Amino acid sequence: AQTVTQSQPEMSVQEAETVTLSCTYDTSESDYYLFWYKQPPSRQMILVIRQEAYKQQNATENRFSVNFQKAAKSFSLKISDSQLGDAAMYFCAYRSGGNTPLVFGKGTRLSVIA
Amino acid sequence: ETGVTQSPTHLIKTRGQQVTLRCSSQSGHNTVSWYQQALGQGPQFIFQYYREEENGRGNFPPRFSGLQFPNYSSELNVNALELDDSALYLCASSWDRGTPTLNTEAFFGQGTRLTVV
Repeated sequence: AQTVTQSQPEMSVQEAETVTLSCTYDTSESDYYLFWYKQPPSRQMILVIRQEAYKQQNATENRFSVNFQKAAKSFSLKISDSQLGDAAMYFCAYRSGGNTPLVFGKGTRLSVIA
Repeated sequence: ETGVTQSPTHLIKTRGQQVTLRCSSQSGHNTVSWYQQALGQGPQFIFQYYREEENGRGNFPPRFSGLQFPNYSSELNVNALELDDSALYLCASSWDRGTPTLNTEAFFGQGTRLTVV
């Protein structure tokens, strides 16, 4: 069974600074997908960024980028120029190909300090 | 806004009672998945429905059951509620085109907060 581990229960960052959230996963599959979701106090899970395992290039979405290390099974999220609205729970998630469910980590609570 | 709506937003039930949670999927989506998120934890997969059939189930007992309707909306039913069932229940919808590759993203509703007393 696949597992996702987030080793940082809480992180904090100064506004406008950069922060990196860590995620490792375990799988025996070669084709899969990785995601970072943001869950603000409103509770709705919002997709931040996704990475296909077959792509070597790291995904980027505006201020959000990932460092995908397939051999090490590591998938970290970097948030640049942090904003107060970035404060939330962040979940790393794994998904096999096809119509399979998401496997989530336990999450990292990110605080942004003004 | 993702187009996925869940009702009710909050619910308080007594141990031993039954509860039904509802999810209206995003237009055009044929797959609905349900997740349980306990306080301070990541979401755990309960089950998934594709075109009105259950096509995947997590490690949850049979008292957790569901339905998907022809319009692809869905219900989650929990019988004989226990205190540990208190959690946020999330519904996610996506579209499966029936191929091994990843289909559309999973879009989540805002969840139903269930408290069992």
